[in-house]
Amino acid sequence: GENVEQHPSTLSVQEGDSAVIKCTYSDSASNYFPWYKQELGKRPQLIIDIRSNVGEKKDQRIAVTLNKTAKHFSLHITETQPEDSAVYFCAIKGRGGAQKLVFGQGTRLTINP
Amino acid sequence: DTEVTQTPKHLVMGMTNKKSLKCEQHMGHRAMYWYKQKAKKPPELMFVYSYEKLSINESVPSRFSPECPNSSLLNLHLHALQPEDSALYLCASSRFLNTEAFFGQGTRLTVV
Repeated sequence: GENVEQHPSTLSVQEGDSAVIKCTYSDSASNYFPWYKQELGKRPQLIIDIRSNVGEKKDQRIAVTLNKTAKHFSLHITETQPEDSAVYFCAIKGRGGAQKLVFGQGTRLTINP
Repeated sequence: DTEVTQTPKHLVMGMTNKKSLKCEQHMGHRAMYWYKQKAKKPPELMFVYSYEKLSINESVPSRFSPECPNSSLLNLHLHALQPEDSALYLCASSRFLNTEAFFGQGTRLTVV
C-alpha cells in the first residue's frame, strides 16, 4: 500500500533563509503529490501540488520538485518569513480505485526573526 | 462560494450521546471526505464519498456513521463514542477523486 516518510520532523531557519522538506514514498503508482500548510488550530491548506508528469513546479517563493526514479519529492521555501511558521504535510495519491490521500507525519517549521 | 464549511466548530459530548457533524460545499465538487486528526499527527482518512456513494471506509468503527444526502452535504453521525475519539474532525472536498482536495476548518470534538 501507499506509505510516505517525511523529514525532518522539525526545522528551524533564520528569516530570509531557505527551507527544504523532503518526502519519500514507496508506491510507484503514486501520481499526485500535494503539500499542505497547517497553522496552529487551523485547517490544512493546499499550498502547492505536482503531478507525476512534471519534474518541478514553482509558485512565487515556494517550489516542489519530484524525482520519480528515486521516489522522492521536496518542498522548497525561499526568502522565508515569520508567517511561514507552521506544520507542513506532504501527501501522495495513487491511481485507480483507491484514490486515497496519504499524509506524511509533518514538519514543524519555525522561522526565527 | 469557494469554502468547505463545517458545523459545529466545537462539540463536547458524553459517551451515551448521539450527535452529528455537518459539512457543506457549493463548489460542485463530487468527492467528499472525512478525516480525523489527533494532536501533532497528520490527518487520517476515515471515509470517501464519490457521487454521493460511499467509496472508501477505512475500517472505521460503526459508532461513526457517514451520510451523504446530496452532492453538497456530508454528515458524520456519532453514537456511543469513547474518550479516545476526541480529535479534530476534518471534512474535505475535491472536484473529482483524482483532483486537489480542500479542507474545512474542522470540528474539534471532545468526548467526556
